[in-house]
Amino acid sequence: EAQVTQNPRYLITVTGKKLTVTCSQNMNHEYMSWYRQDPGLGLRQIYYSMNVEVTDKGDVPEGYKVSRKEKRNFPLILESPSPNQTSLYFCASSGAPTHWSYNEQFFGPGTRLTVL
Amino acid sequence: RKEVEQDPGPFNVPEGATVAFNCTYSNSASQSFFWYRQDCRKEPKLLMSVYSSGNEDGRFTAQLNRASQYISLLIRDSKLSDSATYLCVVSREDDYKLSFGAGTTVTVRA
Repeated sequence: EAQVTQNPRYLITVTGKKLTVTCSQNMNHEYMSWYRQDPGLGLRQIYYSMNVEVTDKGDVPEGYKVSRKEKRNFPLILESPSPNQTSLYFCASSGAPTHWSYNEQFFGPGTRLTVL
Repeated sequence: RKEVEQDPGPFNVPEGATVAFNCTYSNSASQSFFWYRQDCRKEPKLLMSVYSSGNEDGRFTAQLNRASQYISLLIRDSKLSDSATYLCVVSREDDYKLSFGAGTTVTVRA
């Protein structure tokens, strides 16, 4: 089954304790991205990756890191989480976009993170 | 000003009714437009792309007005299962990013 998986689905942690949220897709997609969703703000892009070893900042990258060592995986790292990073996080993947067209974004099920 | 703005609703309609709502975008160079559906904080899923000439998919009709920089979604003969939040998504010309609206919530009642 074609899918994007994220783990963990729920996480409660404390300020400053490093954490990683994993994301994996089995559709051989080039493009992967991370979003956070907060009430009234919609989804905001944190980082994206056009392919292996190619990553770039989205609109809200502060406090986050990513890596893309393999095509299927795109982990999100919070080196020192803070309460303002409490949010619902989604990973997404798609075929490579061009300047004039985008492919359907396939989203993972989401990770609900609470930082105390 | 937000790049993509939507009326948050909620639009509360009876089954069988028609409901329509818009989304405005600020970047006149945007090239790709979409409507995604999101159920109760689950993952968004593509509902339909929006083409320049407008397009229809069953009971759903999407329109694009480039001059006024908005897209619209119309749902005919609403079903209970149409209750969801509808996200407007717009691409940006100068980078590989997508801008999402905060969503319009539709509730269809029996």
